[in-house]
Amino acid sequence: AQKITQTQPGMFVQEKEAVTLDCTYDTSDQSYGLFWYKQPSSGEMIFLIYQGSYDEQNATEGRYSLNFQKARKSANLVISASQLGDSAMYFCAMRDYQGAQKLVFGQGTRLTINP
Amino acid sequence: NAGVTQTPKFQVLKTGQSMTLQCAQDMNHEYMSWYRQDPGMGLRLIHYSVGAGITDQGEVPNGYNVSRSTTEDFPLRLLSAAPSQTSVYFCASSTTSSNEQFFGPGTRLTVL
Repeated sequence: AQKITQTQPGMFVQEKEAVTLDCTYDTSDQSYGLFWYKQPSSGEMIFLIYQGSYDEQNATEGRYSLNFQKARKSANLVISASQLGDSAMYFCAMRDYQGAQKLVFGQGTRLTINP
Repeated sequence: NAGVTQTPKFQVLKTGQSMTLQCAQDMNHEYMSWYRQDPGMGLRLIHYSVGAGITDQGEVPNGYNVSRSTTEDFPLRLLSAAPSQTSVYFCASSTTSSNEQFFGPGTRLTVL
């Protein structure tokens, strides 16, 4: 069975600093996908970034990048130049390719950006 | 293009009552799913569908029923509500090949 572990319940960062949110995963599948979602206090789920298990390059989307270390089974999210609007819950999730698009989520990390 | 819509946004039920949470998408997505989010936890998959007429169970299906008669709609039925079903419910959709699932705004359900 797939499992996602996010070990940081909360993080506090000064505005404009870079922040790394940790995510480790466990799967016996060779082919899988890793996702990060942002959930602001308003409650909606916002897709941030995706990394495929066979992608050789780390995924990047604007200020977001995914530090993918396959051998260590980690998929950390890096936010560069943090902004006040980045304060939110962040969820790491994974999906296998054998069936439908079923996501398994971690417990999340609450990120607070201080001015 | 409204994306994924969910109704109602809020609902309070008494134990034993039944109700249906509505989910609709206008993107012609094959794949639709229901998740629940409990306090301090990530989302957990309840049921999913890969197309009209095809549904399957996720991680936490007990107490819920689904059907998919059209591509657009994927309602979630609570057969006999229990306090343990107090949660926020999210509907999501995507194409089967997409790397992104589109989530609805959620329904906050309280069972007394």
